[in-house]
Amino acid sequence: SQQGEEDPQALSIQEGENATMNCSYKTSINNLQWYRQNSGRGLVHLILIRSNEREKHSGRLRVTLDTSKKSSSLLITASRAADTASYFCATDASNYKLTFGKGTLLTVNP
Amino acid sequence: KAGVTQTPRYLIKTRGQQVTLSCSPISGHRSVSWYQQTPGQGLQFLFEYFSETQRNKGNFPGRFSGRQFSNSRSEMNVSTLELGDSALYLCASSLYQGSNTEAFFGQGTRLTVV
Repeated sequence: SQQGEEDPQALSIQEGENATMNCSYKTSINNLQWYRQNSGRGLVHLILIRSNEREKHSGRLRVTLDTSKKSSSLLITASRAADTASYFCATDASNYKLTFGKGTLLTVNP
Repeated sequence: KAGVTQTPRYLIKTRGQQVTLSCSPISGHRSVSWYQQTPGQGLQFLFEYFSETQRNKGNFPGRFSGRQFSNSRSEMNVSTLELGDSALYLCASSLYQGSNTEAFFGQGTRLTVV
């Protein structure tokens, strides 16, 4: 079953704009991780946020985590055409597996 | 440091055959996990190994099996292939899954069953 659910399912923006994706989950977690996948290829790890953290930054990425609402958001600032990909959140509940959502397909138009 | 290596990258098999996929984790990583990705079901967890022991298994039939060797390399096997087994199979490695460490994925093996 899918624990993380991303919202929206698809997002289309212009280069230079910001993109925000949301993720909701159902159970207590140890951490939450965001991944990027270019068409049919492997997953690229973007950022990990622990359950006791509320916000984390990495370059143009900003991730927030609200454990009381069981939700997380990924913000990509100043988007580029190369950011076009599917983005997945994955939760780690310390049971030796990651549970993924169905992903958000981001299209950045030049 | 080399990333996670999966072989082969592409595979075409006939229904009823069996297949073995291989995964070499990042050097020093002891946890290896396998996931199946399909358009309909998304990313589904198959199993996880640590020090040659399976610690968790997803909800897949017994036709799906795996193992891990003493050098942390892992293989997964699917017997009696069905059309529905066509998918991208992804392997991930981490230092120690479940301890707030990142999981890094390989490029995957694209399996097509005809």
